[in-house]
This record gives sequence, structure tokens and C-alpha cells, in this order.
Amino acid sequence: NAGVTQTPKFRVLKTGQSMTLLCAQDMNHEYMYWYRQDPGMGLRLIHYSVGEGTTAKGEVPDGYNVSRLKKQNFLLGLESAAPSQTSVYFCASRPLGGDTGELFFGEGSRLTVL
Amino acid sequence: RKEVEQDPGPFNVPEGATVAFNCTYSNSASQSFFWYRQDCRKEPKLLMSVYSSGNEDGRFTAQLNRASQYISLLIRDSKLSDSATYLCVVTTYSGNTPLVFGKGTRLSVIA
Repeated sequence: NAGVTQTPKFRVLKTGQSMTLLCAQDMNHEYMYWYRQDPGMGLRLIHYSVGEGTTAKGEVPDGYNVSRLKKQNFLLGLESAAPSQTSVYFCASRPLGGDTGELFFGEGSRLTVL
Repeated sequence: RKEVEQDPGPFNVPEGATVAFNCTYSNSASQSFFWYRQDCRKEPKLLMSVYSSGNEDGRFTAQLNRASQYISLLIRDSKLSDSATYLCVVTTYSGNTPLVFGKGTRLSVIA
């Protein structure tokens, strides 16, 4: 059972480079989220999507773009990476109408920007 | 004031001890409450929901005080395997409202 899969799991970038993180879920979930986690800061929501073709800004959206062209995929893009974007990125999903509060997380993607 | 606040710890307790974590939330419209557990360098996972009447799952007990906007998690008979970070999570649950995570409380259970 794949659940939520993030690729890549590790990446090192130079300042100014661009990259895309891919999140794929095979549970037919409507809602998908991108969080970043930094020491002492907890999980902070970057962007989220409530369905195919929709996206919305979270708490810390600047410097990131997202797309949800297919229901099962949620892409997070960094157009011009900065050292401040060094972090662990988590993707999560949950079903429509789910009231258990259970988010299904991917294993995380560790990004270092030099 | 942060929307969800937790004591960051760390809490260092011996095996067998009872430990309690607290969490306060600022949005009075919050409707649903949860505790997540996150092991070192792993993704968060749902530990338990928190119901108005309080609820128990084995050695874990969760309590909610809406008047004080306060949630607690009690762990009895701590095990080494309980060592983790515990995240308090709150949402207004108006359909598509994202969950809001606290920064977490780190627990280390020592042999």
C-alpha cells in the first residue's frame, strides 16, 4: 500500500536554482497539503488544495508555487531557491468529509539550499 | 498569540512514570482536536482524537476543556517506545479548513 509518496526524498540545491517536489497519493483523497518543518517552528502550512484544479495559500506561501492538475498529484515548486527554504517538506492528504482529523503524511523530503 | 501553543519540553521521565502534556488554542471556533505523534526524522501520525467527554486509548487519556480552550494528553506507565514528539492539532472543521499544528512537545522516556 503506497499511501502518500514524495519524490525526491533528498535534494541539495544551489541558491537560485529551481526544482519541483512531487506528491502522489493513491487513496483518492480530495484534500492535499504541503507543510514545511523547521527546528523549533513546528509544521507550517505552505499551500493546500481542496480538489483537482484548486489551490490555496497557507501560512508561509511566499517563494513557492503549487499545482493540482490531477487529483492524485500535488506539486510544490521553488522557482528560485533560497537558503531560507532549507527544510523538511511534508505532503499530506485526507478524504472529503473525513472527520477523524487523520492526515496521511508522506515520509518527507529533505531539501538543502546552499 | 499563536493559534496553538504547547510546552516544547523536553520532558525526560523514567520508565513507568506518568506524564501529562498541555496545549492551549486561541480560536474559540475550533471544533475538532487531535494528538499526533512524530518520531525522530519521521512523518507525524495520528495518535488519537480528543472528544468533549474525554477519551482513553490504553495508557493514553485525552481531555478537552472548551471553556479554558485547553487540551491535555496523559500517558501512564511510560514505555521507552513512547519517546517522541507529541503534536497538538486543532481545526474549525468548516469542511476544507486545514488543521493547525502546535510546535510539539518532546518526550524522552529513560530506562
